[in-house]
Amino acid sequence: GDQVEQSPSALSLHEGTGSALRCNFTTTMRAVQWFRKNSRGSLINLFYLASGTKENGRLKSAFDSKERYSTLHIRDAQLEDSGTYFCAALNQGGSAKLIFGEGTKLTVSS
Amino acid sequence: DAGVTQTPRHEVAEKGQTIILKCEPVSGHNDLFWYRQTKIQGLELLSYFRSKSLMEDGGAFKDRFKAEMLNSSFSTLKIQPTEPKDSAVYLCASSPDWGDTQYFGPGTRLLVL
Repeated sequence: GDQVEQSPSALSLHEGTGSALRCNFTTTMRAVQWFRKNSRGSLINLFYLASGTKENGRLKSAFDSKERYSTLHIRDAQLEDSGTYFCAALNQGGSAKLIFGEGTKLTVSS
Repeated sequence: DAGVTQTPRHEVAEKGQTIILKCEPVSGHNDLFWYRQTKIQGLELLSYFRSKSLMEDGGAFKDRFKAEMLNSSFSTLKIQPTEPKDSAVYLCASSPDWGDTQYFGPGTRLLVL
């Protein structure tokens, strides 16, 4: 079936540094959504992209449907960025079900 | 601006009980989803409503799980009878329209003893 492969599974950053998370898709997806799971377990929407790139503060995301991937870049990481990040994709079919990656656990330390 | 609300936030049930989880979507959203989240299976779709009509029922969850949406601002998920393997976080999400951003509620953490 349709799958979303997310990497890395865990990431450690020092404050002020940056890195990128990536999701590869086994099939063409129509859109991608990025979430952060906060300390209370709630999923916080970060981005929704049907194409191209979006930026919000220190976060930037890109989605290439043809090349079957999406990225989430974090720059100038802060302690409060720690958490688990998920990408989720909508396939090209009629279903509105999000297919989730397994998540990236980000730890930012001082 | 209220997001998706879910009640209760925590529920403990004995095996065989009936429990009802509740969700209020974002006002004006047409689509509503129920997901179950476990460490092993990740996020699984239980039900999907569009304009109060059931569009997807999650297949494998039909027998003991029933989601209803009696009006556009309220949905319930009934689990009857509960089993220990139902222990999970149950998430409700809503979306303005098909394929749009899904906004998630805080979830209900269910423990079945």
